[in-house]
Amino acid sequence: KAGVTQTPRYLIKTRGQQVTLSCSPISGHRSVSWYQQTPGQGLQFLFEYFSETQRNKGNFPGRFSGRQFSNSRSEMNVSTLELGDSALYLCASSLVRGDYEQYFGPGTRLTVT
Amino acid sequence: ELKVEQNPLFLSMQEGKNYTIYCNYSTTSDRLYWYRQDPGKSLESLFVLLSNGAVKQEGRLMASLDTKARLSTLHITAAVHDLSATYFCAVDINRDDKIIFGKGTRLHILP
Repeated sequence: KAGVTQTPRYLIKTRGQQVTLSCSPISGHRSVSWYQQTPGQGLQFLFEYFSETQRNKGNFPGRFSGRQFSNSRSEMNVSTLELGDSALYLCASSLVRGDYEQYFGPGTRLTVT
Repeated sequence: ELKVEQNPLFLSMQEGKNYTIYCNYSTTSDRLYWYRQDPGKSLESLFVLLSNGAVKQEGRLMASLDTKARLSTLHITAAVHDLSATYFCAVDINRDDKIIFGKGTRLHILP
């Protein structure tokens, strides 16, 4: 069974641009969560999607948004990039919402210059 | 607001020694996770602790949970260099996939 995949793995953007990151959960998994990891703030919850609906949102500005498609794949979008958005973005999938087993993808390393 | 605190944040230890990483959290929860992260890599799930008194062991690592004290420990027995990594504890208080992480413990094991 394939694991969680994230694309792209690495990305370099300029301040002010926008970016879209993609996450494909494990086959059959319907819940996808996103996290941002930075050296200063650590791992922070961004949002969670289940059945194409955002169920939870962390404390991030509206520039961060996401969506989930009917096949459970999820995308997150960051608009008007700032230097501080440079981070490792991780997504995790679980079978159903509240399932205690979450599986993390390899992450997308975003660098904003 | 839920807070998850780990200590120590940095730990350098000799091979063969034992040590414990502590994880305190501020709100009642019965889901406590331990993850390992190698530099530049994603998170690897180590343990999921789901009830008070839960104890799980895998190789040289053993995790326990005391929900009344809101405390989990990760004990390392006879450390080996391969265990060098950053270890995170995390809590899911509402069973809704919103996991709150501690800041991580960077473990460096000296040969």
